[in-house]
Amino acid sequence: DTGVSQDPRHKITKRGQNVTFRCDPISEHNRLYWYRQTLGQGPEFLTYFQNEAQLEKSRLLSDRFSAERPKGSFSTLEIQRTEQGDSAMYLCASSLEGLGEKLFFGSGTQLSVL
Amino acid sequence: GNSVTQMEGPVTLSEEAFLTINCTYTATGYPSLFWYVQYPGEGLQLLLKATKADDKGSNKGFEATYRKETTSFHLEKGSVQVSDSAVYFCALSVNTDKLIFGTGTRLQVFP
Repeated sequence: DTGVSQDPRHKITKRGQNVTFRCDPISEHNRLYWYRQTLGQGPEFLTYFQNEAQLEKSRLLSDRFSAERPKGSFSTLEIQRTEQGDSAMYLCASSLEGLGEKLFFGSGTQLSVL
Repeated sequence: GNSVTQMEGPVTLSEEAFLTINCTYTATGYPSLFWYVQYPGEGLQLLLKATKADDKGSNKGFEATYRKETTSFHLEKGSVQVSDSAVYFCALSVNTDKLIFGTGTRLQVFP
């Protein structure tokens, strides 16, 4: 069990650029979640997948955000035309269906938009 | 809507002191309740949970009791250690596996 891994750990970009983050869940976990966390706040739900199907998207997820999990394994989160307000820690978590509340979190990708 | 409210931190204690971190919730339906912990430099991890009223979750000396009448799930520990220094998040889930988190409470324990 290597845990949930996220790449990169840190990303600095200029406003208007596109960025993509990757998450590799625990191998046998069929659920994968994306959360966003800003300083002094708790994680905010963005979206989640069961296998390759995206089952729910938060209203926080604007049209500039897209997430995929094409083969039901790793997932990518892309932000197009980044804005300064997108600066945050992006967290990925995975779980087994039926034990969904026990999420295993990665260490996150810290995004800074200049 | 569904939400969680936690006491603001930081909470600063001396080693072996008693800890309480307050958490109250608002939910439609019957939520399950959780405490997650984030140690410095690590990802969040589940500390304990309770799935119905009057259940008590416990782990690593921490306890929390699901109180439906007061809509609360306060975290307690009788004697904290320096190694308990972390950020603690209260969370709930209603019908789905999506977790809704509070803002977190930072605990600092000094020797």
